Amino acid sequence: GAVVSQHPSWVICKSGTSVKIECRSLDFQATTMFWYRQFPKQSLMLMATSNEGSKATYEQGVEKDKFLINHASLTLSTLTVTSAHPEDSSFYICSAPLDKQETQYFGPGTRLLVL
Amino acid sequence: QKEVEQDPGPLSVPEGAIVSLNCTYSNSAFQYFMWYRQYSRKGPELLMYTYSSGNKEDGRFTAQVDKSSKYISLFIRDSQPSDSATYLCAMRGAAGNKLTFGGGTRVLVKP
Repeated sequence: GAVVSQHPSWVICKSGTSVKIECRSLDFQATTMFWYRQFPKQSLMLMATSNEGSKATYEQGVEKDKFLINHASLTLSTLTVTSAHPEDSSFYICSAPLDKQETQYFGPGTRLLVL
Repeated sequence: QKEVEQDPGPLSVPEGAIVSLNCTYSNSAFQYFMWYRQYSRKGPELLMYTYSSGNKEDGRFTAQVDKSSKYISLFIRDSQPSDSATYLCAMRGAAGNKLTFGGGTRVLVKP
């Protein structure tokens, strides 16, 4: 299957700082990528759809100024958590569909802990 | 009511048994159905993908879709302790790529 990577795999930061998470499609190009958030023992919650060369589309209730998304190339999307607070601590996962395929491939996730 | 319902479990079975998982959904527009396996602190891994109604088999895994009943299933034969994980069903309609997930079922296969 297709490979999606994320970096970093885990990060600890102080409250008030910003954290950037990268999502890369390693062996295919992705005009669209998705960002999810997952709390312990819960399912994935879609945060936003990242579109290459245009603005991201955010789900209801997700603050676009808080979670900045940039999709500058066909293989890279970044999620920046700005002014992070302890309640932003979570598992962040990205995914990307192969061109003209109906399935999505997920990255390994990034665990964020805000102190 | 959630669009996709999935029993959270945990579902505990002895090694070698058949694991039976299912999801029900309410949106008749869903046409693509997927099952993902997620180990703790890892990203979901695609197991099976099915379009519309029917069965699909891949090794020890069998996926079934019954659109008339809005019900999908995943069966795991000859279960192994390494199958212990959370299994997520996901589905989408014909347009767009956005997936709707079930809540996940935690499975524990005991040696």
